[in-house]
Amino acid sequence: DSGVTQTPKHLITATGQRVTLRCSPRSGDLSVYWYQQSLDQGLQFLIQYYNGEERAKGNILERFSAQQFPDLHSELNLSSLELGDSALYFCASSALAGGRNEQFFGPGTRLTVL
Amino acid sequence: GENVEQHPSTLSVQEGDSAVIKCTYSDSASNYFPWYKQELGKGPQLIIDIRSNVGEKKDQRIAVTLNKTAKHFSLHITETQPEDSAVYFCAATPQNYQLIWGAGTKLIIKP
Repeated sequence: DSGVTQTPKHLITATGQRVTLRCSPRSGDLSVYWYQQSLDQGLQFLIQYYNGEERAKGNILERFSAQQFPDLHSELNLSSLELGDSALYFCASSALAGGRNEQFFGPGTRLTVL
Repeated sequence: GENVEQHPSTLSVQEGDSAVIKCTYSDSASNYFPWYKQELGKGPQLIIDIRSNVGEKKDQRIAVTLNKTAKHFSLHITETQPEDSAVYFCAATPQNYQLIWGAGTKLIIKP
């Protein structure tokens, strides 16, 4: 158990809909990262927050947005969903902002868009 | 910017044999190279990392080597066991910026 929690575990929705994925980082971690992993694909970095502020942005679509709240939990919002958005979405947390520290991954949310 | 290439995409080895996964990076300023293991149905987990001031690091059956001149680093697993079956990701980061991930290697251990 990494200490990172993600809800929900599974999510099934229809095209055009909007969903929110939630992540609670490990106690004490200030950084939260979001990743997308499609079937048999690698990890696509979406976005990072550090202590409530956006720190880095990767290949995140304009239809997607995220935020980190004062209690450090984070939410990833996906809107106008398309079939191609079906994937595993991972949240990870780390103590520091930079890349040279271990990221702890949650169990993921499997999103299925029908 | 940094680019990380990882090979092979799939590796099948006999139980008890060794497995080697290789990664190359493009940015000579990269100075931190972690390896993550992702078991089926789980998120990735750090198994070993190396910094640019070290050429090799070992942890039991796992070792990582770094060749800064050639800009490549490798993961070595000896005496492979069924529980080593997983997807392995390498990554690199220049100057403590964002991790740049490799595409992953699916390691299959044949009994």
